Amino acid sequence: KAGVTQTPRYLIKTRGQQVTLSCSPISGHRSVSWYQQTPGQGLQFLFEYFSETQRNKGNFPGRFSGRQFSNSRSEMNVSTLELGDSALYLCASSFRDGEQFFGPGTRLTVL
Amino acid sequence: DQQVKQNSPSLSVQEGRISILNCDYTNSMFDYFLWYKKYPAEGPTFLISISSIKDKNEDGRFTVFLNKSAKHLSLHIVPSQPGDSAVYFCAAISTFQGGSEKLVFGKGTKLTVNP
Repeated sequence: KAGVTQTPRYLIKTRGQQVTLSCSPISGHRSVSWYQQTPGQGLQFLFEYFSETQRNKGNFPGRFSGRQFSNSRSEMNVSTLELGDSALYLCASSFRDGEQFFGPGTRLTVL
Repeated sequence: DQQVKQNSPSLSVQEGRISILNCDYTNSMFDYFLWYKKYPAEGPTFLISISSIKDKNEDGRFTVFLNKSAKHLSLHIVPSQPGDSAVYFCAAISTFQGGSEKLVFGKGTKLTVNP
């Protein structure tokens, strides 16, 4: 069974730009969660989608948004990028409560 | 407000000895706990979990202990191997939310196992 895939793996943007990251969950998984990992804050929950609906949202500004498609693939978008948005963005899919399977992440660098 | 805390950012142990990674939580609604292991440039991978109805779960060299009264859990690795060197994240979830998948993570502990 293929794992969670994320594209692109690396991205460099400049302040003020916007970016879209993509995540394909494990086949059969309907829940997709997004996390931001930074050295200072660890793993921080962004949002979670289930059957194309956002079920949970973390404490991030509205510049961070996401969506899920009917095939469970998910995208997250960050608008008006700031230097502090530089981080590893991780996507995780799950079939049942708790156990999540993570993708390799997208390393975003904002210059 | 940090609901899941890993107070030791790093831990160094000798190969063959025991590694003990600790995690504290504040939310009494958490009823399922997980440990993830993360190597550089990779996403976290699931290691072991424990339900709040248990106080111990064992899987090979990995054992997780849960002390609900102290709101504390620990991960024991015996014997430690150099390949165990990674960042370990503790995570918790409240399944009372009815299937909502909001895992709360600690900030991680970097384990280094020296040969």
